[in-house]
Amino acid sequence: AQSVSQHNHHVILSEAASLELGCNYSYGGTVNLFWYVQYPGQHLQLLLKYFSGDPLVKGIKGFEAEFIKSKFSFNLRKPSVQWSDTAEYFCAVNAGGGFKTIFGAGTRLFVKA
Amino acid sequence: DTEVTQTPKHLVMGMTNKKSLKCEQHMGHRAMYWYKQKAKKPPELMFVYSYEKLSINESVPSRFSPECPNSSLLNLHLHALQPEDSALYLCASSQVPTTQSGHEKLFFGSGTQLSVL
Repeated sequence: AQSVSQHNHHVILSEAASLELGCNYSYGGTVNLFWYVQYPGQHLQLLLKYFSGDPLVKGIKGFEAEFIKSKFSFNLRKPSVQWSDTAEYFCAVNAGGGFKTIFGAGTRLFVKA
Repeated sequence: DTEVTQTPKHLVMGMTNKKSLKCEQHMGHRAMYWYKQKAKKPPELMFVYSYEKLSINESVPSRFSPECPNSSLLNLHLHALQPEDSALYLCASSQVPTTQSGHEKLFFGSGTQLSVL
């Protein structure tokens, strides 16, 4: 069965620090990969998505993620975080293009002003 | 309109009650989903409807009964729930996946926070 692992459950950074959140998945076939974000008091929304093509994907608010097939990884990065990036970040995997999207446990990011 | 609207936002019910959660979207999405999210846990898929037909049931107990009366509406009927069913219930919608685009992104509602006493 497919699964998603997020390495960090809680991350605390100061503003302007660089961010990298790890995500690994287990599935040998074609995958769609996602990062979703949940800001305090808001609903889950998409940050970025990988389906095919360039493995470096750019999303909203300066976020990017790199798909490394050989490592089954899809890490999220941002060069310089802001206080407004405080949120919970979920990596998600859809295997084979069907309806089933599996979410990782989430990483709570707190950015100190 | 890119919203998924869920009602009610909060619900408290006893173990013998019958209640329903409602979800509505007007984005023309023909795939709709129910997820369950316990505190500090990721969303877990419960049901998927595609073109108003049940496509996936993730072995959910029969005390949860989904219904998709039309392409814009999704209901979750609740009966004889247990306290451990207390959670945030999320509705989502998406375009139906294709081989060209893969799985499309999910649009989530804000959820119904359910407490079972």
